[in-house]
Amino acid sequence: KAGVTQTPRYLIKTRGQQVTLSCSPISGHRSVSWYQQTPGQGLQFLFEYFSETQRNKGNFPGRFSGRQFSNSRSEMNVSTLELGDSALYLCASSLVPGPRSGNTIYFGEGSWLTVV
Amino acid sequence: EDQVTQSPEALRLQEGESSSLNCSYTVSGLRGLFWYRQDPGKGPEFLFTLYSAGEEKEKERLKATLTKKESFLHITAPKPEDSATYLCAVQAINSGNTPLVFGKGTRLSVIA
Repeated sequence: KAGVTQTPRYLIKTRGQQVTLSCSPISGHRSVSWYQQTPGQGLQFLFEYFSETQRNKGNFPGRFSGRQFSNSRSEMNVSTLELGDSALYLCASSLVPGPRSGNTIYFGEGSWLTVV
Repeated sequence: EDQVTQSPEALRLQEGESSSLNCSYTVSGLRGLFWYRQDPGKGPEFLFTLYSAGEEKEKERLKATLTKKESFLHITAPKPEDSATYLCAVQAINSGNTPLVFGKGTRLSVIA
C-alpha cells in the first residue's frame, strides 16, 4: 500500500516568489493536513482539509493557503516568500478528520523549501 | 491551551544501554497520544497510539506507556539503527483547530 506522496522533495526559491507543493494521500484517506517543521519551532499545524473543504487552520499568515481536490489530493501555496519560510513542509493523511479511535495520521517524506 | 513537553532534548546511549524518553502533556481531555520516529531529512514514521491511562504497546525494542499526565517510551537494549528523533503528539477531545499538538522531540543517538 503506497504511503503519502509529496512533490517536489526539494526546491529553492527566491524571496518574493511563490511556491506550490503537492500531496497525494494514502488510498482511501480523505483527510489531509499540512505541517511546517523548523528546527526552532518544531512541527506546527498549517491547515486541514476534508471533502475539498478547509476544516481547520493554524496560526499562519494569509500568504499560506491550500486546497483539496475531489480525489483527495491536496496542494498548498505560499505567496511572497520570505526567508523565514524555509522549512520542511509535511503532509499527513488519515481516513477522516478529527480525533477518534483508530484514526491514525500518517506523514509523507516532506518537501524541503529553501528561500534565498 | 494544549501543551506537550518532551525530555530530555537529546540523549546519547551506548549500544545495549536501556533508557526512557518522557512526554508530559496538558490537554483538556485526551483523545489519543501518538509516538513518531523521525530520521534526518524524512517525515515522521508512526510508532504507537495510546488512548487511556495504563495502556501499553510494544514494538521490537520499544515500549510505550501512558499515565494521566505523561507517556514514556522505553528503549530496551538499543542498537545504532534506533538513532533518530522521537516525537510525541496529542489529540484532544475538543481539539479546536489543531489535529495534533507536537512536542519538540528527543534526539536519540546510540553509539556502537
